[in-house]
Amino acid sequence: NAGVMQNPRHLVRRRGQEARLRCSPMKGHSHVYWYRQLPEEGLKFMVYLQKENIIDESGMPKERFSAEFPKEGPSILRIQQVVRGDSAAYFCASSTGQGGSPLHFGNGTRLTVT
Amino acid sequence: QKEVEQDPGPLSVPEGAIVSLNCTYSNSAFQYFMWYRQYSRKGPELLMYTYSSGNKEDGRFTAQVDKSSKYISLFIRDSQPSDSATYLCAMSSTQGGSEKLVFGKGTKLTVNP
Repeated sequence: NAGVMQNPRHLVRRRGQEARLRCSPMKGHSHVYWYRQLPEEGLKFMVYLQKENIIDESGMPKERFSAEFPKEGPSILRIQQVVRGDSAAYFCASSTGQGGSPLHFGNGTRLTVT
Repeated sequence: QKEVEQDPGPLSVPEGAIVSLNCTYSNSAFQYFMWYRQYSRKGPELLMYTYSSGNKEDGRFTAQVDKSSKYISLFIRDSQPSDSATYLCAMSSTQGGSEKLVFGKGTKLTVNP
């Protein structure tokens, strides 16, 4: 399966713990995007990365959230000191980065904060 | 006014019906228009992808873009129970080099056998 791979599929954390979500893009894709989907809400852009670079993080909360896409390995979305409001589905997408190229999504990580 | 408006439904139709799904938008810079299908507990799956105005057909699916009215549509012919899902419109511009998509909230469709 050469699609976008996300893990874990489900993640349960207690308030105050850290959550790490991983994303491996499709083969041949070098651009990664993270989106968050809250219940009854649409997908909201969080951050756009290329290898070793954050291109656009305008949708990411200023505190507790960070993202990286290292030279080797998957992209990581990290949420420190999670709160109940962080409970959501987090989706990763990838593209070739060519102008207007479509985004292909993974099946998401469902984070539950207890 | 939200950048992208989409009626959340729900929409329920009998098998074989023609389904019409729509979105309106306010940002005239949008040039790329997409429709995604999302099954429960799954990620969005790209269905249709169009650039600028016009029609695009793929099997039972037709996407239309009217930039003058800031209105896009997805038509599904001969709808099947397997089409039951949430349909998300999405759009982007290439300004600034970022390709972030702006999504509608999605329309939940049920096709009844």
